[in-house]
Amino acid sequence: GEDVEQSLFLSVREGDSSVINCTYTDSSSTYLYWYKQEPGAGLQLLTYIFSNMDMKQDQRLTVLLNKKDKHLSLRIADTQTGDSAIYFCAESKFGNKLVFGAGTILRVKS
Amino acid sequence: EAGVVQSPRYKIIEKKQPVAFWCNPISGHNTLYWYRQNLGQGPELLIRYENEEAVDDSQLPKDRFSAERLKGVDSTLKIQPAELGDSAVYLCASSLDYRSNEQFFGPGTRLTVL
Repeated sequence: GEDVEQSLFLSVREGDSSVINCTYTDSSSTYLYWYKQEPGAGLQLLTYIFSNMDMKQDQRLTVLLNKKDKHLSLRIADTQTGDSAIYFCAESKFGNKLVFGAGTILRVKS
Repeated sequence: EAGVVQSPRYKIIEKKQPVAFWCNPISGHNTLYWYRQNLGQGPELLIRYENEEAVDDSQLPKDRFSAERLKGVDSTLKIQPAELGDSAVYLCASSLDYRSNEQFFGPGTRLTVL
């Protein structure tokens, strides 16, 4: 979607941290989301953050939100080969309409 | 608990033919969404239902696309006639209601139009 931009590809070694970045344009978005999509599967919600928060941590996942710059990041600690997938950033608009970025392909090398 | 169910998983048709996709949301979920995901892109919303009412269909190409959710449970998305550019993955999602933060996605139907 034109409102949400992500880098196309990220390659990391197993055990390293991965950081996937996203920028959005709508300052009125109430929630920002990270979804994971594995080949041939639908989207799986990983985590989301309310727009009045700066950070949210959930096990190996850390979400950072910079509202001033409209920048969102997802950090995956101790990245595993099973984390290889496409990661989508999304913002919610009125009626919880989700607007997705084009996705970041994460490749984890063993 | 079963997740969102979609069928068929794959469909190959020739252009100008009709095609239909079916979705059964998670039990008790009032809100149902249909998205289209083009290759290399994120999903884009086509239509959102609150129970049996279509409350947001602004992105649905109404000349050839139609959808229904007659009893407020399962839903059908139809394309007639299909065009080459309709090749995509069609995803169905559901949530408890429109205020819910979590949308649960089905595996999608991959449509190829030849």
